[in-house]
Amino acid sequence: GAVVSQHPSWVICKSGTSVKIECRSLDFQATTMFWYRQFPKQSLMLMATSNEGSKATYEQGVEKDKFLINHASLTLSTLTVTSAHPEDSSFYICSARDLDRGNEKLFFGSGTQLSVL
Amino acid sequence: GQQVMQIPQYQHVQEGEDFTTYCNSSTTLSNIQWYKQRPGGHPVFLIQLVKSGEVKKQKRLTFQFGEAKKNSSLHITATQTTDVGTYFCAGRSSGSARQLTFGSGTQLTVLP
Repeated sequence: GAVVSQHPSWVICKSGTSVKIECRSLDFQATTMFWYRQFPKQSLMLMATSNEGSKATYEQGVEKDKFLINHASLTLSTLTVTSAHPEDSSFYICSARDLDRGNEKLFFGSGTQLSVL
Repeated sequence: GQQVMQIPQYQHVQEGEDFTTYCNSSTTLSNIQWYKQRPGGHPVFLIQLVKSGEVKKQKRLTFQFGEAKKNSSLHITATQTTDVGTYFCAGRSSGSARQLTFGSGTQLTVLP
């Protein structure tokens, strides 16, 4: 099946620094990718929809200047958490749809655990 | 790396029939989560299982975590049309990276 690769798996950073997370579709082209945030024992919370070649669409309450999304190619989307603070510590995960396979199933990256000190 | 296999990929059932989806991990898990994604929507968290051999129920849904913490199942009794959607399992590895690996999902269609 389709594979979505996400890096890094975990990152620890100091408060005030920026962290970049990459999401790659390895064997298919993804014009749309999704970024989520998950708190312990809670559901995935959609943060934004990343569209190749255009601006991302952010969900209500998600700061676009805080969470920068770049979808420069059909196989790569990046999420940059700028000036990270401890409250940004969370699990971030991306997903993509492989529409060429004729269905709308989502394929997920393995997630990134961010800890901000 | 960790792999999580989920079967079947697709299942069509008549309303009122039972449904089961199975999840198998290549490595021992610290916990496993189940999600439901309605058509056009995004995955919604259903439950998390942590203990070996754990069984949890939510109305007509029964979730099991294997004794070896490498497999899990979701069973729906007497399906209804509202059960339509894709069910994902997601296993959290027990190593230091604690990656969350999603299964490929089982797409359930319930025929009225």
